Amino acid sequence: GQQLNQSPQSMFIQEGEDVSMNCTSSSIFNTWLWYKQDPGEGPVLLIALYKAGELTSNGRLTAQFGITRKDSFLNISASIPSDVGIYFCAGHQGGKLIFGQGTELSVKP
Amino acid sequence: GAVVSQHPSRVICKSGTSVKIECRSLDFQATTMFWYRQFPKQSLMLMATSNEGSKATYEQGVEKDKFLINHASLTLSTLTVTSAHPEDSSFYICSAGTSGMYNEQFFGPGTRLTVL
Repeated sequence: GQQLNQSPQSMFIQEGEDVSMNCTSSSIFNTWLWYKQDPGEGPVLLIALYKAGELTSNGRLTAQFGITRKDSFLNISASIPSDVGIYFCAGHQGGKLIFGQGTELSVKP
Repeated sequence: GAVVSQHPSRVICKSGTSVKIECRSLDFQATTMFWYRQFPKQSLMLMATSNEGSKATYEQGVEKDKFLINHASLTLSTLTVTSAHPEDSSFYICSAGTSGMYNEQFFGPGTRLTVL
């Protein structure tokens, strides 16, 4: 089925560094969502984007909905150990969410 | 707000038995609930979409007779894995969605199914 292309697949960074990940698609989405999943748990919604070009922040997290509605990025500033986990982008289309492959983030103290 | 619970969190069963997983939206009414399956190190795969009071819509390749979904109320959906086999072992996650422009989905904590 259709998938979003999410990159990078994994990142190993030092505590305090900034992180950036992005998703692209060949299709247009009405809504972009960013989730974080900790091991053995369900995804938790971090940021929701509804309008093309929209830039939204949630604490140290910032996400933007691409102007073409085919891409989005998520930035995490000043990373901390608890940022460790898998981050998923998801696009809403036809009543369903299409997920990216995930970015696994590791933060070294 | 927007809390979704799942029960049980873990289940181990013998091959051939059936397992029921419950998904509840605790503080809102979910017009739609979704069931996903996730294998280790992989993304979430949508299995089916269910609306309260109507039959679930299954994704291509998902056996409707194998994965029975019931959405009896606006706060409860159940997934029954019938005649489970080891290959059904996986992490099953439900989500509850709201209608309208926001199209957000809130996920449950997941259920780890192990079939021996």
